Amino acid sequence: AQKVTQAQTEISVVEKEDVTLDCVYETRDTTYYLFWYKQPPSGELVFLIRRNSFDEQNEISGRYSWNFQKSTSSFNFTITASQVVDSAVYFCALKGGTNAGKSTFGDGTTLTVKP
Amino acid sequence: NAGVTQTPKFRILKIGQSMTLQCTQDMNHNYMYWYRQDPGMGLKLIYYSVGAGITDKGEVPNGYNVSRSTTEDFPLRLELAAPSQTSVYFCASTQQGVNSPLHFGNGTRLTVT
Repeated sequence: AQKVTQAQTEISVVEKEDVTLDCVYETRDTTYYLFWYKQPPSGELVFLIRRNSFDEQNEISGRYSWNFQKSTSSFNFTITASQVVDSAVYFCALKGGTNAGKSTFGDGTTLTVKP
Repeated sequence: NAGVTQTPKFRILKIGQSMTLQCTQDMNHNYMYWYRQDPGMGLKLIYYSVGAGITDKGEVPNGYNVSRSTTEDFPLRLELAAPSQTSVYFCASTQQGVNSPLHFGNGTRLTVT
């Protein structure tokens, strides 16, 4: 069985602060992908990034960075110098190679960035 | 590109009524999914399909039915609506392959009273 845990239900920061969203996963698959999705207040779900189980190289894209550590089964997401527009619900998801393409989602972390 | 299109955006049903949520995608994706999102919760898989003519149950299929007669369309049917089905419903599609992300529709907000 697959499981994704986002222990932080809500986070509130002031603009320009850095913030890290945690994601811990469980899977028996040896090949899998991890994803982050963003759901802004308007409600749509948007894909942000993916990382495969064989690539532990961390990635930076502008103000966003992702830290994948297989040893701790974690795929954390950091926003540097947060902005009000970053306010959203962020979902971590896991997709295994033996699961007919089904994704397992965490319960999401609601990030509020205050001006 | 339209992507994944869901209709309607909002709907209010009375207990016991039935309705169909429509979902269509124009990306020629084989895999399609229906999720529900309850307040403060993640996405729970209702049904999924790996191709036309093939459907299977997800985590929370009770009270729902689906069909997949074409690659493009994946309607979700609610029979005998109950208050517990009040939720936001998302349709999604993806290419075959573990590395493919989900493409979501904009959601349908359903209230059963």
